[in-house]
Amino acid sequence: SQTIHQWPATLVQPVGSPLSLECTVEGTSNPNLYWYRQAAGRGLQLLFYSVGIGQISSEVPQNLSASRPQDRQFILSSKKLLLSDSGFYLCAWSATGSSTDTQYFGPGTRLTVL
Amino acid sequence: ILNVEQSPQSLHVQEGDSTNFTCSFPSSNFYALHWYRWETAKSPEALFVMTLNGDEKKKGRISATLNTKEGYSYLYIKGSQPEDSATYLCASLSGYALNFGKGTSLLVTP
Repeated sequence: SQTIHQWPATLVQPVGSPLSLECTVEGTSNPNLYWYRQAAGRGLQLLFYSVGIGQISSEVPQNLSASRPQDRQFILSSKKLLLSDSGFYLCAWSATGSSTDTQYFGPGTRLTVL
Repeated sequence: ILNVEQSPQSLHVQEGDSTNFTCSFPSSNFYALHWYRWETAKSPEALFVMTLNGDEKKKGRISATLNTKEGYSYLYIKGSQPEDSATYLCASLSGYALNFGKGTSLLVTP
């Protein structure tokens, strides 16, 4: 069966510090991978998605970047965190990009920028 | 409607009550409507994926309907139980992106 892992579970970082959140998927090959963020009082917002190694699409301009160095690894990064980067970050995968494909979410990372 | 909107924002019902929530989404360029349940301290869990106008799906006591022409979906819970307490999210697919609403937070008390 497929599983998706995220770490760390929680993170408290000072403004201006770097960030690296990691997501890995097991039990499937060539998944579509996604990074979402839920900021306080807002809905889940898609940040990045990837259809393959090295292929990253950004949905919104921001202070963050994403990379996919391996088939089942998706990394979210920032060189300098802003207060507005605080939120709950969810990684998700789907088998394809089909409209009927379910996206499966990881456990999430709660990021607080102080 | 440009965004996915959900109402009500929160709901508090007694065990045994039936309830329903609304999801409104852009009806143009519609591909699919997804419903998720998000329990506290857990990952969002898929409930339904709906694509056809008039579609109705059911899973146990939970069911959903879809109207793609007017851009809305209803989620119904029959005989609510405390374990149904969660945030219910709907999302409309646009390209690869799932555009989520802010969710309806349901609390069911015994």
